[in-house]
Amino acid sequence: DTAVSQTPKYLVTQMGNDKSIKCEQNLGHDTMYWYKQDSKKFLKIMFSYNNKELIINETVPNRFSPKSPDKAHLNLHINSLELGDSAVYFCASSQLAGGPWETQYFGPGTRLLVL
Amino acid sequence: AQKITQTQPGMFVQEKEAVTLDCTYDTSDQSYGLFWYKQPSSGEMIFLIYQGSYDEQNATEGRYSLNFQKARKSANLVISASQLGDSAMYFCAMKGGGSNYKLTFGKGTLLTVNP
Repeated sequence: DTAVSQTPKYLVTQMGNDKSIKCEQNLGHDTMYWYKQDSKKFLKIMFSYNNKELIINETVPNRFSPKSPDKAHLNLHINSLELGDSAVYFCASSQLAGGPWETQYFGPGTRLLVL
Repeated sequence: AQKITQTQPGMFVQEKEAVTLDCTYDTSDQSYGLFWYKQPSSGEMIFLIYQGSYDEQNATEGRYSLNFQKARKSANLVISASQLGDSAMYFCAMKGGGSNYKLTFGKGTLLTVNP
């Protein structure tokens, strides 16, 4: 069984559209994250939820809205997509949020291309 | 603020040889964790190894070991007996303690293993 899964794996869409990416983890973890990997492979945190509560909200355009219906799921909705949103979006999870020992396990990534 | 520096954009190694990937970090936290992830060309992020700031021994996981030098703020990844499948992007990351929930990543090192 896949520990952290994301759908879709690939997403090609037109500028101005609204799209969602879904993430599910079956590890029983309390904390989930969204990271963005840009074209230069740099990874940066976007959001994090701990047991459905938002705990990290980095400087991200408000066109991006995360939603956590339960602690096993974290979705990312993007409104009015722009060319610069093209990137790979990774979902990750960890047992808990705090503690420097908390290993984050990543999903396979969603490759978003905005045309 | 936390910072991770990986100074080697690319590295080459012969199959069966050992290779060291450099990582230096900067943080004001007393307690922190250091992580290495592997990203093959297929794109997923694979957790390799973890080192805690208070761990007295260097971490090892199979062919991976972490050369942790706290005073120099370095956490180099050593891969022994390189295999062709080790060719990938390698990211060093750190996580602070307390309410610092996010992983801060370096820019990565692209390792190529030659036959």
